[in-house]
Amino acid sequence: GQNIDQPTEMTATEGAIVQINCTYQTSGFNGLFWYQQHAGEAPTFLSYNVLDGLEEKGRFSSFLSRSKGYSYLLLKELQMKDSASYLCAVGDGSGNTGKLIFGQGTTLQVKP
Amino acid sequence: DTEVTQTPKHLVMGMTNKKSLKCEQHMGHRAMYWYKQKAKKPPELMFVYSYEKLSINESVPSRFSPECPNSSLLNLHLHALQPEDSALYLCASSQDPHRDLKYEQYFGPGTRLTVT
Repeated sequence: GQNIDQPTEMTATEGAIVQINCTYQTSGFNGLFWYQQHAGEAPTFLSYNVLDGLEEKGRFSSFLSRSKGYSYLLLKELQMKDSASYLCAVGDGSGNTGKLIFGQGTTLQVKP
Repeated sequence: DTEVTQTPKHLVMGMTNKKSLKCEQHMGHRAMYWYKQKAKKPPELMFVYSYEKLSINESVPSRFSPECPNSSLLNLHLHALQPEDSALYLCASSQDPHRDLKYEQYFGPGTRLTVT
């Protein structure tokens, strides 16, 4: 079966650091993606990991451990505009179709 | 340019109407996708086109009919929809996942559809 778990909601303070975890159990694996989605808007691509380790991109970093079926998104120096839903998605490995399996999303609220 | 455009932004239609949603990208992407998204839920894949051919249909009812006229355009034809089909319809595109290691999907702004 396909299962991707991430916390439903998180709250953090402006200027702080927050880590959003994602665990997955999927029949195939072709990379792990993180997307940001503000209310009423389209998802925006944040990061992609296919090999184990940390990928850093400005204030955002993403980590992957394939053996543990685990990823996290790290947001540093939080800003109010980071309040959004964060979607973890696994690339379906069967047939390299481009199909993404999404988690339910984590709603992050940044408070002053 | 990483832009995917969609028209219209909003659409209200009756259950007997026929309408079409349009999507366009000029990034040279050869894979295009249609998603449906309900409030507070993740996007739900409907169709995938690869090199203008339908490669995935996620058991979508036939009242939704996709079309890919060329490599830049993707349409979704709607007919005899139900009120529960009201949702945000998102189009996305990506590099060829068979050939490119990094095939992140770029989403359009979506069409907010209301079926009355």
